[in-house]
Amino acid sequence: DAKTTQPNSMESNEEEPVHLPCNHSTISGTDYIHWYRQLPSQGPEYVIHGLTSNVNNRMASLAIAEDRKSSTLILHRATLRDAAVYYCILRGGADGLTFGKGTHLIIQP
Amino acid sequence: GAGVSQSPSNKVTEKGKDVELRCDPISGHTALYWYRQRLGQGLEFLIYFQGNSAPDKSGLPSDRFSAERTGESVSTLTIQRTQQEDSAVYLCASSQQGVLSGANVLTFGAGSRLTVL
Repeated sequence: DAKTTQPNSMESNEEEPVHLPCNHSTISGTDYIHWYRQLPSQGPEYVIHGLTSNVNNRMASLAIAEDRKSSTLILHRATLRDAAVYYCILRGGADGLTFGKGTHLIIQP
Repeated sequence: GAGVSQSPSNKVTEKGKDVELRCDPISGHTALYWYRQRLGQGLEFLIYFQGNSAPDKSGLPSDRFSAERTGESVSTLTIQRTQQEDSAVYLCASSQQGVLSGANVLTFGAGSRLTVL
């Protein structure tokens, strides 16, 4: 799977929007962009994924650049419960997801 | 079941003993994955099963580690002659496998925390 680059950490205030960036300049045409998050002392949980078009679900929105070399996970109104490590992962096949270091999101009350 | 179930949730063992960790995937999920996460570290991919077959075992850290899956359901990860560096949380995940493999989403269990004294 192609590599992704994320900031090590980001900080935001509660009830404000959060934009988490991810660069994936070597993405291939068949790679899906997945986002997972891991809350403290828990297993990872799925957040959202997309291929080319922007995606929305109850948890977040995913904005994908037109050239697909970057994407942004958007949490519209952060809560303390959103404090977690967020992973941006490219997936082209059925084999296991390769998790990088992710972005440690800190939410200030 | 409703989610991925792993057992035991916690296991403390002595160095040199064998341990077995169990994963019950979501019913109907044909793909199953094992990961390891040492304290404060990222997730390390170990192995995945498509049905009962493991196409790629290269992620297993050593020949002390083995895994099997039966009935396209339960999987067992076995660690023989445990060492202190095996201490970690072992996470299992499952997913459906459709034609568009890259789109399939993994659902993780809560993990089995292994401590080797």
